[in-house]
Amino acid sequence: ETGVTQSPTHLIKTRGQQVTLRCSSQSGHNTVSWYQQALGQGPQFIFQYYREEENGRGNFPPRFSGLQFPNYSSELNVNALELDDSALYLCASSFGGSGETQYFGPGTRLLVL
Amino acid sequence: ILNVEQSPQSLHVQEGDSTNFTCSFPSSNFYALHWYRWETAKSPEALFVMTLNGDEKKKGRISATLNTKEGYSYLYIKGSQPEDSATYLCASQTGANNLFFGTGTRLTVIP
Repeated sequence: ETGVTQSPTHLIKTRGQQVTLRCSSQSGHNTVSWYQQALGQGPQFIFQYYREEENGRGNFPPRFSGLQFPNYSSELNVNALELDDSALYLCASSFGGSGETQYFGPGTRLLVL
Repeated sequence: ILNVEQSPQSLHVQEGDSTNFTCSFPSSNFYALHWYRWETAKSPEALFVMTLNGDEKKKGRISATLNTKEGYSYLYIKGSQPEDSATYLCASQTGANNLFFGTGTRLTVIP
């Protein structure tokens, strides 16, 4: 295993609600990236945090937001949930950004009803 | 958004057979190519990161090559075993830090 953990493993929410997903990075890593994997697709980049600052963002609306804490763990927050937000959310930690291997957690599966 | 394509989408092989898959990606602004193996209910496992044209990497029975000029990478598995059954994902990285993933090749090795 990678040493990257995510919680919760599964979650059911209803439309309009808000959700917070958590990720603990591997020891020694200072960068966390978040990805959304919808059914039948590859993971899509949401955003990346490096040393507590956002360091790149994919094509996701502002209701997707994040935080990184001094211990480099991270949260992904999604407001005003929509049915299409149902997906597997993966986080990955790395030391630095470009060209470094990203180590993934097992993901949180979110179902929006 | 980068268009990363993988083929085939799925593959069944007999135990002992060798196999290979393809990942194609835009060659402009290329920085690195990542391969992952993803078994059901587990975390994606990093296999290789390759950056240079002509790079070849090997890990046990699995190897990969990279052609950045024409924008493709091959992943080879020699003597497939049932435990190789997984989805193999490739991801292209530009100068930015995010990875653009393909949809994966699902490999099933039949005992």
